[in-house]
Parts: sequence; C-alpha cells; structure tokens
Amino acid sequence: SQTIHQWPATLVQPVGSPLSLECTVEGTSNPNLYWYRQAAGRGLQLLFYSVGIGQISSEVPQNLSASRPQDRQFILSSKKLLLSDSGFYLCAWGPERGQEGTQYFGPGTRLTVL
Amino acid sequence: SQQGEEDPQALSIQEGENATMNCSYKTSINNLQWYRQNSGRGLVHLILIRSNEREKHSGRLRVTLDTSKKSSSLLITASRAADTASYFCATGHISNTGNQFYFGTGTSLTVIP
Repeated sequence: SQTIHQWPATLVQPVGSPLSLECTVEGTSNPNLYWYRQAAGRGLQLLFYSVGIGQISSEVPQNLSASRPQDRQFILSSKKLLLSDSGFYLCAWGPERGQEGTQYFGPGTRLTVL
Repeated sequence: SQQGEEDPQALSIQEGENATMNCSYKTSINNLQWYRQNSGRGLVHLILIRSNEREKHSGRLRVTLDTSKKSSSLLITASRAADTASYFCATGHISNTGNQFYFGTGTSLTVIP
C-alpha cells in the first residue's frame, strides 16, 4: 500500500532562517507530488506541483522553492523565512498526469516563524 | 482564482441530524472531490464524483454535482460526534502537463453528542 511521510511534524524557526521540509512517498511510482500551505482556519493553497524528477511548477510567487531530486521525494525550501510563511504545510501525492484519481495527504508540518 | 468556496463556513448540529455542506466553483472541472480534516491533521479523501456524474453515495455520505450551476453538495446522514471535523471540496483538473487540485475554504462541522 502507498504511504506518505512528512517531517518534521512541527518546526519553530526565526525570521530570516532557512527552511527545508521533506516529503517521501512509498508504494507508488511516477506520482504527481504537491505542496500546499494552510493558514489557520483556512483552506489549502497550492504552492507547487511536480509531474516528475526535476519538474516543478509554481502556483504562487513567493520566497519558497521546491525540488524533486528523486521520483518519490519532494522538498520544500526557503533561503530566508518570513513571518508570513507560518502555517501548516501539507504534502500530497496523486496519480500520474493525465490519469484520474484522488490525492493522498501526509500528516503535515506545522511551521511557526517568530 | 480557481479556488472553490464552501458554505456554510461553520455548522453545528445535534447527533443524529443530517449535515449538508455546499461547494461552488468557477471553472470547468474533470471531477470534484470531498475531503475531511481533523484538527491539526492531514486531509483524508472521502469521495470523488466525475463531471459526468450527478450523484454518488458512500455509506452515510451523499454527494451531488450540478455542473451547470458549478456547485456540489455533501450530505452526511445520521451524524455522529466522530464526524466533527472540517470538510473541504476540491476541483480536479486532469491534463498531460500535470493534474491540479484546487481546494475550497472548508466547512467546520461540529456534531454535539
């Protein structure tokens, strides 16, 4: 069966510090991978999605970046965090591009920037 | 924005009652999905309805889709305290350049025992 891992579960970082959140998927190949951010009490905002290794699409301009060094690994990064980067970050995987299906979410990382 | 909107934003009902949540969206879709999120957790997929379907059932869940009105509803029958959670709709867009999903703002459901 497929599983998706995210870490860390919680993170407190000072403004201006770097960020690296990791997401890995098991039990599937060639997944579409996604990063979302959820502000407190709000819906999900799609940040990045990837259809393959090294292929990243950005939905929202921001000081975050994403990379996919391996088929089942998706990394969210920042060189300098802003206060507005605080939120709940969710990684998800979905079926290959062109295929219909649902998304499966990781447990999320709660980031607080102070 | 392609993001959907749910209403109501918050709903409080007694255990045993039915809960209805609505979702509206703006663009054409391939499918629409409903997800559930317990506080501070990841989202769990509940049900997917394709754009050529009008109604779908899964256990105590009933989803309808009206593509002419660009709206969907989620009905939870005979609610239980354990149904307390936030519920999100997401529009699914399939393409060879990458499948995309756009989420609504969510409905917070409280079921009072």
